[in-house]
Amino acid sequence: DAGVTQSPTHLIKTRGQQVTLRCSPKSGHDTVSWYQQALGQGPQFIFQYYEEEERQRGNFPDRFSGHQFPNYSSELNVNALLLGDSALYLCASSLAGQVPPDTQYFGPGTRLTVL
Amino acid sequence: RKEVEQDPGPFNVPEGATVAFNCTYSNSASQSFFWYRQDCRKEPKLLMSVYSSGNEDGRFTAQLNRASQYISLLIRDSKLSDSATYLCVVRTWRDDKIIFGKGTRLHILP
Repeated sequence: DAGVTQSPTHLIKTRGQQVTLRCSPKSGHDTVSWYQQALGQGPQFIFQYYEEEERQRGNFPDRFSGHQFPNYSSELNVNALLLGDSALYLCASSLAGQVPPDTQYFGPGTRLTVL
Repeated sequence: RKEVEQDPGPFNVPEGATVAFNCTYSNSASQSFFWYRQDCRKEPKLLMSVYSSGNEDGRFTAQLNRASQYISLLIRDSKLSDSATYLCVVRTWRDDKIIFGKGTRLHILP
């Protein structure tokens, strides 16, 4: 049973560039959440996708956008990269409709460095 | 006041000792509480959920105090492998909002 997978593992970009990160959820999960974790900080919620739509969004600018595909996998896109976007980007998957809400399981993350 | 607050540490504790962390939260509507463990440069992994009645998993005990709005984690007989950052997580069901604390760093000393 595959867990959450993310690609790439590491990425180096320069300011102003655009980046796409990918996530495949754990088998049986239909909801994908994205988090940004800067050094020394806890993960910050970016947004969540369910049924191919953005269901919730944290306090992140429009430069951060996403997509979910019919197979539940997801992409995070960041445009016009800033130095401050350097962080570990984590994807978490869960199953919707659970009460209490299902536990989120995290992927290994993509470490993005913006130079 | 931050939504979830933790003492960043580091806590430097000799092997075999008992250590406890607290985490406070500001939203009284919070309904689910968790402790995650994060090793250096790795993803967070669920350590345990925290229930109102308190719960124990081996050497780990988690407690919730809704009146004072804090949760705690107690680690007994600490091992070198317990060295990690421990993240407090608070969740509200209505909007499924999940808030992480910044984490508490624990170093177990041989």
